[in-house]
Amino acid sequence: EAGVVQSPRYKIIEKKQPVAFWCNPISGHNTLYWYRQNLGQGPELLIRYENEEAVDDSQLPKDRFSAERLKGVDSTLKIQPAELGDSAVYLCASSLASGRPNTEAFFGQGTRLTVV
Amino acid sequence: AQSVAQPEDQVNVAEGNPLTVKCTYSVSGNPYLFWYVQYPNRGLQFLLKYITGDNLVKGSYGFEAEFNKSQTSFHLKKPSALVSDSALYFCAVRDDSNYQLIWGAGTKLIIKP
Repeated sequence: EAGVVQSPRYKIIEKKQPVAFWCNPISGHNTLYWYRQNLGQGPELLIRYENEEAVDDSQLPKDRFSAERLKGVDSTLKIQPAELGDSAVYLCASSLASGRPNTEAFFGQGTRLTVV
Repeated sequence: AQSVAQPEDQVNVAEGNPLTVKCTYSVSGNPYLFWYVQYPNRGLQFLLKYITGDNLVKGSYGFEAEFNKSQTSFHLKKPSALVSDSALYFCAVRDDSNYQLIWGAGTKLIIKP
């Protein structure tokens, strides 16, 4: 079974430029998460989807970040315009429906973003 | 409020010795506890979880964790460390009143030959 797939693995952009990350979750997983992880720190939730609905986007900086999961499967996270402080690893994860809080999330390998 | 603490930034263990990575938590409801491992330039990999029942949980790669309700702890253990266990370990908690997963800051485990 394929795991969570993310692309690209690495991205270097100049500040003020736009960037997009793509995620394909594990088949059958209704819940999809986007996290940001800074070096040496734990993941920070940006947004959580249940199917195509964003049920928790309280930590998403909405002035520059946007996300979509149009058909309830794969998802895209966008930053426009990027700032130097956005440099981090962006992780996508999926799990069975979060209506079961005991379910674990499975993570992709992440996209390392460097803003110069 | 929910919180997770990993009191050690780094743990050093000699190969073959037992290892413990500490985690304490605070939740308002019943806790669901998770351990993840992260190797360099890789995503997080699920190791094990505690839901209910037996306080000793066994997981991947020979790891286990002991849930202690009175001490609100969920320490990760392994009887004999391998050099390949060297990685970053994260503890996370969720309670049954809030689906948000709260993460610890991580503990770097270094196993020396």
